[in-house]
Amino acid sequence: DTAVSQTPKYLVTQMGNDKSIKCEQNLGHDTMYWYKQDSKKFLKIMFSYNNKELIINETVPNRFSPKSPDKAHLNLHINSLELGDSAVYFCASSPSTRQTYEQYFGPGTRLTVT
Amino acid sequence: KQEVTQIPAALSVPEGENLVLNCSFTDSAIYNLQWFRQDPGKGLTSLLLIQSSQREQTSGRLNASLDKSSGRSTLYIAASQPGDSATYLCAVPLYNQGGKLIFGQGTELSVKP
Repeated sequence: DTAVSQTPKYLVTQMGNDKSIKCEQNLGHDTMYWYKQDSKKFLKIMFSYNNKELIINETVPNRFSPKSPDKAHLNLHINSLELGDSAVYFCASSPSTRQTYEQYFGPGTRLTVT
Repeated sequence: KQEVTQIPAALSVPEGENLVLNCSFTDSAIYNLQWFRQDPGKGLTSLLLIQSSQREQTSGRLNASLDKSSGRSTLYIAASQPGDSATYLCAVPLYNQGGKLIFGQGTELSVKP
């Protein structure tokens, strides 16, 4: 039974389009995150939500908007896609925002913008 | 500012060899350090979480050590197997920043049969 799942796994789209990536966790965790892994495999946090409340909002273009309908789901909507948005996006969750807890990652969504 | 570095960037060893992967961090005020494995085209699998109060953590053939004062952690893999081939990443949470993880660049390990 998958702990953190993401859909879709692959997403190919053209510049200027709007797309969404969905994430769900069945671990009962309060905190969820979005990370971006660039072409050099470097992972960097984008957002985190705790109990549907935005906690971390890194310097990400405002074309990226996370939405958390409930604490088990954290979706990422991207407007006006650009070539530089091509990356792998990972969702993660942890029991809380306390730093002592382990984070569990989803399988990733590979976004390709053409 | 916390920075995490992993050396080497890539490592190739013959099957059966014991090996050590290195991770260093600049700010020793950490709560824990987490080691992950990433297979090509796949997500991250958590291997070990070592708390700041611990010196070592073991899981099967894996042993992670942590030396906060020197800003270093090592991941020891015993009797390596081709199935261990993957990229290994270490990460530390930033102090009082809601679980924000800072990752190293990873070490790409190849174990040759």
